[in-house]
This record gives sequence, structure tokens and C-alpha cells, in this order.
Amino acid sequence: GDSVTQMEGPVTLSEEAFLTINCTYTATGYPSLFWYVQYPGEGLQLLLKATKADDKGSNKGFEATYRKETTSFHLEKGSVQVSDSAVYFCALGSGNTGKLIFGQGTTLQVKP
Amino acid sequence: DTEVTQTPKHLVMGMTNKKSLKCEQHMGHRAMYWYKQKAKKPPELMFVYSYEKLSINESVPSRFSPECPNSSLLNLHLHALQPEDSALYLCASSQDRGDRVYEQYFGPGTRLTVT
Repeated sequence: GDSVTQMEGPVTLSEEAFLTINCTYTATGYPSLFWYVQYPGEGLQLLLKATKADDKGSNKGFEATYRKETTSFHLEKGSVQVSDSAVYFCALGSGNTGKLIFGQGTTLQVKP
Repeated sequence: DTEVTQTPKHLVMGMTNKKSLKCEQHMGHRAMYWYKQKAKKPPELMFVYSYEKLSINESVPSRFSPECPNSSLLNLHLHALQPEDSALYLCASSQDRGDRVYEQYFGPGTRLTVT
């Protein structure tokens, strides 16, 4: 079945460091891909999305490119801030099931 | 407006109580969802409503009873819960045009504690 694999956390970075959170997927067909962010005590917020191969989603300095050849959707940010500390979930929209399939989540901690 | 609202924010209930969680969206979305989230885990899908009809029930125990009174509202009725049902309950909504899986917009959640 469809699945998403994220790099295990926690990821600890200093402020202004470069961030990469790896995400790979297994799916039949051409799923939509998403990154969500969850701050402590809150719900999930849509961070960015891509609906077809080579699409680049971007928002708030975060970027991710839909790479069909490597079945990946890695999240990047050039310079993280303390306020980016949160849990990040990669997800795919499964055409087979009509559901969002989530990765296990990656906790990011940014230190000043 | 991409807001989904949920009430209450926190709920403590005993195992014999009956309570309800409420969710509302005004984005014109025709699909609405209930998820359960345990600490440090991804959300687990419970129910999906499409055009006010229940389309997915992920084998959820009958002590959870969903209801979709109209296209903007979603309720989750709770009865005779167990302590292991304590979790963050998230509501979400999305478009539903049948051509692909659309992004879902989540509410802030209800933190439920069963004593």
C-alpha cells in the first residue's frame, strides 16, 4: 500500500542553519504531496503542497520539490529561526484510498 | 478564510459521561474529517464525510458516533469512553471534486482526557 517515510528526529539546529528533512514515498499513480507543521498544543497547519512531478511548493521560506524519479519530497529552508521549532509531517494524498497518508513526523528544535 | 474551528478546546469526562465535540468550517468544503492524535504520533483517521454522507469509517468503536448536520458542521458524540481514548481530536476539511486528494485544513483540536 501507499506509504511515507520521514527521517527520524529529533533534529537540533542552531539559528540561521540550513534545514533539510527527508521524505520519501511509495505510491501507485501520481499522488499529491504535502508538508504540514504542528506547533506545540496546536493543530496541523498546511505548510506547502505539490500536485505533480517537478512542482515546487514554497511558503514562509520553506521549499520542497516533487521528485518522481527518486520518489522524494524533501523539505528545505535556508535559515531556520527559533520560531520554526515544531513537528513536521510529510503526507501524500493516496489516489487508491482517497486519504492522506502521513509520515511519522520529525521534531525540529532550533536553538538561539 | 482557511479557518476550521473546534469546540471545546479542552474536555475532561468520566467514563460514564456523554459529551460532544463540534467542528465548523466556512470554506465551502464538502469533505470533513475526524482524526485522533496521540502524543508524538501522526493523526489517525477516524471518519470521513463527503457531501454530508459518511464515506469512511476506519473501524472506530461505536462509543464514537459522528454526525454531519450540514455542509459546514461536523460533530463527534462521545459515550462510555475509556482512558485510552484520551488524545487530541482533530477536525479537518477539504475540497472534494473526485479528481485527486486535496489538501486538508485542520482545526486546533480538542484535548480530551477520560478519567
